Amino acid sequence: IAGITQAPTSQILAAGRRMTLRCTQDMRHNAMYWYRQDLGLGLRLIHYSNTAGTTGKGEVPDGYSVSRANTDDFPLTLASAVPSQTSVYFCASSALAEDTQYFGPGTRLTVL
Amino acid sequence: GENVEQHPSTLSVQEGDSAVIKCTYSDSASNYFPWYKQELGKRPQLIIDIRSNVGEKKDQRIAVTLNKTAKHFSLHITETQPEDSAVYFCAEWGGSNYKLTFGKGTLLTVNP
Repeated sequence: IAGITQAPTSQILAAGRRMTLRCTQDMRHNAMYWYRQDLGLGLRLIHYSNTAGTTGKGEVPDGYSVSRANTDDFPLTLASAVPSQTSVYFCASSALAEDTQYFGPGTRLTVL
Repeated sequence: GENVEQHPSTLSVQEGDSAVIKCTYSDSASNYFPWYKQELGKRPQLIIDIRSNVGEKKDQRIAVTLNKTAKHFSLHITETQPEDSAVYFCAEWGGSNYKLTFGKGTLLTVNP
């Protein structure tokens, strides 16, 4: 059992390019989340999904989109990357919205 | 709106001493309070959590206390060891917004 995985591990991206960060969990968790982590700002929620087929906006959703076509996958897309989106991105999942969240290993994204 | 204040932002202790990190929150509907430990370059990992119907919870050298009246909760680490050195994040799950809100983190350094 892998738990929760993310790909790629790291990426350098030119500004204006489109990028999709992948997240997959095999724990059959209903809820999934995307956070970005920046020094001094902690973990900030970008988007979330409480169950397959539904998504919601977090604290910093602008410039990002998500989809939840099935239980296992929750991709995060940057339609046109900007340098301020340089960050470490963590995907997380929980059995239900009010349960413990488990984090993936993270993706380090640099936008030049 | 939801807000979590975490103090201190950095904490340095000698091996064997105790460490205390405090968080305050604003949403009186919050009912779940996890603590995460993040080592350098790694993912956040849950170390202990507490729900609003409990005032204190202990797991070996780690304990968490919750004061719902004052809206604050604290992490206590006793007999600290160098491997306790990491960034610690508190979080609160508020019933009114169904999201986990994180504090900005505390960098704990345990000096041998």
